[in-house]
Amino acid sequence: QLQLQESGPGLVKPSETLSLTCTVSGGSISSSTDYWGWIRQPPGKGLEWIGSIDYSGNSYYNPSLKSRVSISVDTSKNQFSLKVKSLNAADTAVYYCAREVRSFDYWGQGILATVSS
Amino acid sequence: EMLLTQTPGTLSLSPGERASLSCRASRSVSSSYLAWYQQRPGQAPRLLIYGASSRATGIPDRFSGSGSGTDFTLTISRLEPEDFAVYYCQQYSSSGFTFGPGTRVDI
Repeated sequence: QLQLQESGPGLVKPSETLSLTCTVSGGSISSSTDYWGWIRQPPGKGLEWIGSIDYSGNSYYNPSLKSRVSISVDTSKNQFSLKVKSLNAADTAVYYCAREVRSFDYWGQGILATVSS
Repeated sequence: EMLLTQTPGTLSLSPGERASLSCRASRSVSSSYLAWYQQRPGQAPRLLIYGASSRATGIPDRFSGSGSGTDFTLTISRLEPEDFAVYYCQQYSSSGFTFGPGTRVDI
């Protein structure tokens, strides 16, 4: 059974960079058919796709966030990571990682990242 | 930008009743790339339907999806207590992914 687990700081300061990692277990991140994505959800609001990446590093991003985000992959650790720079309060959200197969079928439990001084 | 609209915003029903949730896209969506999710409080979303009408692994057959083009529907044939949750539709296109704002199914 594929499992995903997010990790990273729960509190970050405005204008700084959020760095999160997703560790995949029970399967290989190097599958040629899969992408791996990040989705976020501000408290009490809906879901927003951030971006996705495959095992070779091919990535694509939500146009509204593209200038501030980057996603990378480390196949040796079966992990992929998210960076969001120039944070502001509107970036406060639960961040989920998920396997992407043109829909998102396996999800992590999510991690709350709060942007506050 | 592809926009998804979900109606109604809230649906108040009782266990055993039938629920019909609508998702309308601002332009045509490939049926292969329309999905539905269920999210219970404090939990991650769960994939219910992909490809507009295919149930994901382990999803009960009381959940069904239909539609094409710009209009899609999620139907829950007989509501169970655990089905009271928020439901999101999602589409994929060359610009990436978009989620609808959600429909809350309340008792």
